[in-house]
Amino acid sequence: EVQLVETGGGLVQPGNSLKLSCATSGFTFSTAWMNWIRQTPGKRLEWLAQIEDKSNNYFISYLESVKGRFTISRDDSKSSVYLQMNNLKEEDTAIYYCTPKFYYSAPFDYWGQGVMVTVSS
Amino acid sequence: DIRMTQSPASLSASLGETVNIECLASEDIYSDLAWYQQKPGKSPQLLIYNANSLQNGVPSRFSGSGSGTQYSLKINSLQSEDVATYFCQQYNNYPTFGGGTKLELK
Repeated sequence: EVQLVETGGGLVQPGNSLKLSCATSGFTFSTAWMNWIRQTPGKRLEWLAQIEDKSNNYFISYLESVKGRFTISRDDSKSSVYLQMNNLKEEDTAIYYCTPKFYYSAPFDYWGQGVMVTVSS
Repeated sequence: DIRMTQSPASLSASLGETVNIECLASEDIYSDLAWYQQKPGKSPQLLIYNANSLQNGVPSRFSGSGSGTQYSLKINSLQSEDVATYFCQQYNNYPTFGGGTKLELK
C-alpha cells in the first residue's frame, strides 16, 4: 500500500522559513518523480515543484512564482522528499501535498493527507 | 502555462440524475487529462486519466471523454457518495488544474 506522510507544517510569520518533509512507502521511491502541490483556502490546486530520479540527474522544475523561494530535495536512502520554503508570504497559506509520478506524462495517482501551512502575523 | 477553465463552478443535481462537468484547455493537451474527486477534509483521488481511462476501483458510472482542448466528466445515476468537488488537471506540460466544480444534492 502506497503511503505518503507530510510533516513540518504550522503557523509561521511572514518572511520566515519552514521545511516540509514527506515520508513515503509502498512504491519504488528511487525511480519515482516526486512533486509538491498545494491547495489554497479557496480550494485552488497549484503544482509547485518536481524532482526527477537519479537516472534523470535529479532534474528539478518549479512553478515560476515560487522559484528562488522554494527548494525541493530528496533522500532516496530515506524514501523522503522535502520542500524548503523561505521568505514565506500570506498567500503561501495552504495545505501542502506530496505526490509521486511514475513516468513523464502522468497524473497524480497517490496523494498524502497533506500538511497545513499558515503564514500570518 | 496551460490554463484550465472548468465549468460549472457549482452544480446541484438529484439522486439518479446524470451530471456533466466540462474542462477547457488553453491549448491542445493531447488527452493528457485527469479528473479527481475530493471529498471534504480529504485529499484528491484520481478518477480518470488519459481523458477516458477509469482508475482501478472507480465505479463505472464515472466516464471521461474529449480531445484537443475540450474534455468532460460524466457521472451517470448520481449517488449520495458522489457529493464532492471535482477537478480536472492537464499533464501535457507543467501540471495545471481547473478551478473545481462543487457538486451538491438537490
